[in-house]
Amino acid sequence: GNSVTQMEGPVTLSEEAFLTINCTYTATGYPSLFWYVQYPGEGLQLLLKATKADDKGSNKGFEATYRKETTSFHLEKGSVQVSDSAVYFCALSDKSAGANNLFFGTGTRLTVIP
Amino acid sequence: DVKVTQSSRYLVKRTGEKVFLECVQDMDHENMFWYRQDPGLGLRLIYFSYDVKMKEKGDIPEGYSVSREKKERFSLILESASTNQTSMYLCASSSVEPANYGYTFGSGTRLTVV
Repeated sequence: GNSVTQMEGPVTLSEEAFLTINCTYTATGYPSLFWYVQYPGEGLQLLLKATKADDKGSNKGFEATYRKETTSFHLEKGSVQVSDSAVYFCALSDKSAGANNLFFGTGTRLTVIP
Repeated sequence: DVKVTQSSRYLVKRTGEKVFLECVQDMDHENMFWYRQDPGLGLRLIYFSYDVKMKEKGDIPEGYSVSREKKERFSLILESASTNQTSMYLCASSSVEPANYGYTFGSGTRLTVV
């Protein structure tokens, strides 16, 4: 079946530190992969996506590369800011499996301290 | 700016009340979804709909029902609210191919049942 596993949080970093949030997936077909971000008190916003192997999604300084060989889609940012404090969700959509839904990880809370 | 609008940000209801959570999208999306979000459990799918008057159960439909009389509106109904339904509720919509574009989420409704 389809599933997403994210690294456990919470993650606390100092401003300007390097960020990695690990995400691995299991899919029966050829998934698209997503990272969503949820700021305090808000809904989820699409941060970036990749629809096929070796694609790199990027936005707001965040990047993630679709690695089929390791079934991973790790989120990275070179220098985090206080404003990046949020919960980050990895997700997949596996259209080829006949499903039309997104499967979400459990989320990773990031806190960036000045 | 495209948007998913949830009618209330905060609601407080009494045990046993019938509760309606409303969601409207202006993107002409076919698919709409209701999730609940609880600490440590991530997002759990309650119900979804691929078309007007059509509904499908998600992972945790017990105690809930839905209504989709118009394409743009998807309502979540708590037939008899209970304290274990205290949660953040998130509505989302997508085109027929979420594998390409992902979901668009509303800002959420935080429901407290007392």
